[in-house]
Amino acid sequence: EAGVTQSPTHLIKTRGQQATLRCSPISGHTSVYWYQQALGLGLQFLLWYDEGEERNRGNFPPRFSGRQFPNYSSELNVNALELEDSALYLCASRFDRGNQPQHFGDGTRLSIL
Amino acid sequence: AQSVAQPEDQVNVAEGNPLTVKCTYSVSGNPYLFWYVQYPNRGLQFLLKYITGDNLVKGSYGFEAEFNKSQTSFHLKKPSALVSDSALYFCAVIFYNTDKLIFGTGTRLQVFP
Repeated sequence: EAGVTQSPTHLIKTRGQQATLRCSPISGHTSVYWYQQALGLGLQFLLWYDEGEERNRGNFPPRFSGRQFPNYSSELNVNALELEDSALYLCASRFDRGNQPQHFGDGTRLSIL
Repeated sequence: AQSVAQPEDQVNVAEGNPLTVKCTYSVSGNPYLFWYVQYPNRGLQFLLKYITGDNLVKGSYGFEAEFNKSQTSFHLKKPSALVSDSALYFCAVIFYNTDKLIFGTGTRLQVFP
């Protein structure tokens, strides 16, 4: 069974640009979660999508947005990139809800120059 | 406020010795507790979870964790550490019906030969 896959592995942008990160969940998983892992800030919850709808978002500005497609894959879009957006962005998926663990991809490292 | 704490930034252990990585939580209600491990340049790997039932939970790679409700703790343990266990360990909690994983700040485990 293939795990959660994320692309690209690395992404280099400059300030003010826009970035798109992609995630394919484990087959059969309908929920997708996005997290930011920035140096010194730990893992921060960004967004949760389930059945194509945004269910919850963390304490991030509106320039962080995303969507979930009918095949349950997901995109994270970051507009007007700032230096502090440099981080590892992790996607996770989960089957159903409740007490099932989230399974993570290896992340996209976004570097802002 | 609901939170999870990992009081140690780093834990150093000699190979073959038992290891403990500490985690405490603050919550109103019954939490779902998880441990994840992160190797360099990788995403998070699920180790084990506590939902309900036996306070001692066994997980992957010989790890186990003990849930202690009175002390609101969920410490990760292993009887005999391996050099290959060296990694970053995260405790996480999902509070009932929120679906948002809240992570501790992580503990770096260093196992010396």
